[in-house]
Amino acid sequence: KAGVTQTPRYLIKTRGQQVTLSCSPISGHRSVSWYQQTPGQGLQFLFEYFSETQRNKGNFPGRFSGRQFSNSRSEMNVSTLELGDSALYLCASSSGAGAPTYEQYFGPGTRLTVT
Amino acid sequence: AQSVTQLGSHVSVSEGALVLLRCNYSSSVPPYLFWYVQYPNQGLQLLLKYTTGATLVKGINGFEAEFKKSETSFHLTKPSAHMSDAAEYFCAVIVPDTGRRALTFGSGTRLQVQP
Repeated sequence: KAGVTQTPRYLIKTRGQQVTLSCSPISGHRSVSWYQQTPGQGLQFLFEYFSETQRNKGNFPGRFSGRQFSNSRSEMNVSTLELGDSALYLCASSSGAGAPTYEQYFGPGTRLTVT
Repeated sequence: AQSVTQLGSHVSVSEGALVLLRCNYSSSVPPYLFWYVQYPNQGLQLLLKYTTGATLVKGINGFEAEFKKSETSFHLTKPSAHMSDAAEYFCAVIVPDTGRRALTFGSGTRLQVQP
C-alpha cells in the first residue's frame, strides 16, 4: 500500500498571502488529521476530518481551515499568513471507524516558510 | 486533559549501548500510548503502541516499551544502539472512547549515537 502523500513538500510564501496544502491518505483510510510542528511549540493538533466532516478541532485561529473530499483526500488552507505560521505541516491518516486502534500514519510533511 | 512529559531533550549513547528514552503521561483515564521516530526532513514513523493487554510491547527496529500504570510511564528501550537510531523520538498519548482523536505529543528527545 502506498503511504500518506503530501504536496507540495516545500513552499515559500509572503506575509499576508494564503496557502493550500494537500494530503492523500493511505488507501481505505477515511480519517485525516493535520498537525503543525515548530521548534518552539512542538507538535500541535490542528483538526481531523472523517467522511468529509470536521470531527475534531485544535486550538488554532480561524485562519486555519480544512476540508476533505469524497475520496478522503484533504486540504488545509491558511489565510493571511504570518511569520509564525512557518512550520512543518504534517498530515496523518487512520482508518477512523469500526474498531479503531487510533494508529495514525504520517506523511513526509510540507515545509512552509513565510517571509 | 492529558499530557506527556519526555525527560531529556537530548540523549547521547555509544554504539552498542542501551538506549533508554523516558516518557511519563498524565491522564484521568487509561490512555493509549505511542512512540514515533522522526528522521531529518521526514514525517513521523510509528515505532510501537500500547492499547490494552500485554504491558510490554515490541516495535520495529528492536525497540520495546513497557506500560507501567503505577508510575504513569511508557519508557522506550533498545538493548544495543545502532548509528541508524540517531533521530528524534516522540511519545504520544490519546484517550480512547472520547470521540477525540487528537494525539498529544511530548516535546521530543533527540538521540545521538556516538561511534
